[in-house]
Amino acid sequence: NAGVTQTPKFQVLKTGQSMTLQCAQDMNHEYMSWYRQDPGMGLRLIHYSVGAGITDQGEVPNGYNVSRSTTEDFPLRLLSAAPSQTSVYFCASSYSTYAGIYGYTFGSGTRLTVV
Amino acid sequence: AQKITQTQPGMFVQEKEAVTLDCTYDTSDPSYGLFWYKQPSSGEMIFLIYQGSYDQQNATEGRYSLNFQKARKSANLVISASQLGDSAMYFCAMRGAAGNKLTFGGGTRVLVKP
Repeated sequence: NAGVTQTPKFQVLKTGQSMTLQCAQDMNHEYMSWYRQDPGMGLRLIHYSVGAGITDQGEVPNGYNVSRSTTEDFPLRLLSAAPSQTSVYFCASSYSTYAGIYGYTFGSGTRLTVV
Repeated sequence: AQKITQTQPGMFVQEKEAVTLDCTYDTSDPSYGLFWYKQPSSGEMIFLIYQGSYDQQNATEGRYSLNFQKARKSANLVISASQLGDSAMYFCAMRGAAGNKLTFGGGTRVLVKP
């Protein structure tokens, strides 16, 4: 059971380049989300999805794009990388039940540096 | 909008002693939940404990307990019998009624001294 898998673990980009951070989960969770963590700070929500074909913006969505064509995958696209996007990116999947049980699983993170 | 505040940027604790990490929150959702995560220097997010807004009793998980005071909108984490391996960043986070995303506080860095 792999949980949430993020690739790559490390990436260096030049300003203006584009790239996609991959996120896959094998737990059949309905919800998935992307967060960024800047040095010494908590995680901030970029985009999230409540199911295949449904996405919405979080707190800091500018410069990022997402889509969710399947339950398992939720890629994050950087359209034109900027130094301000240097950060650690976490993908998470989650579920909720009518019994009020909530579970969140985080990937191991992608450390992105934009030069 | 939801907000989580952790007012202690860092703290030292002696090994084998207990430590309390503060977390206050603000939300208009009648149904919500509070999480605590540990982030060691390796960077992964480790789930510690969860408290739902309608839970009658305070949550406990091994050495971790959550002091939930709904009227004060606080959800403090208590770590008993601190160990050297408890040295890490600790984050308080909240889910709203929809449960599909989390709002995080700024974190508290804990350093356990031998």
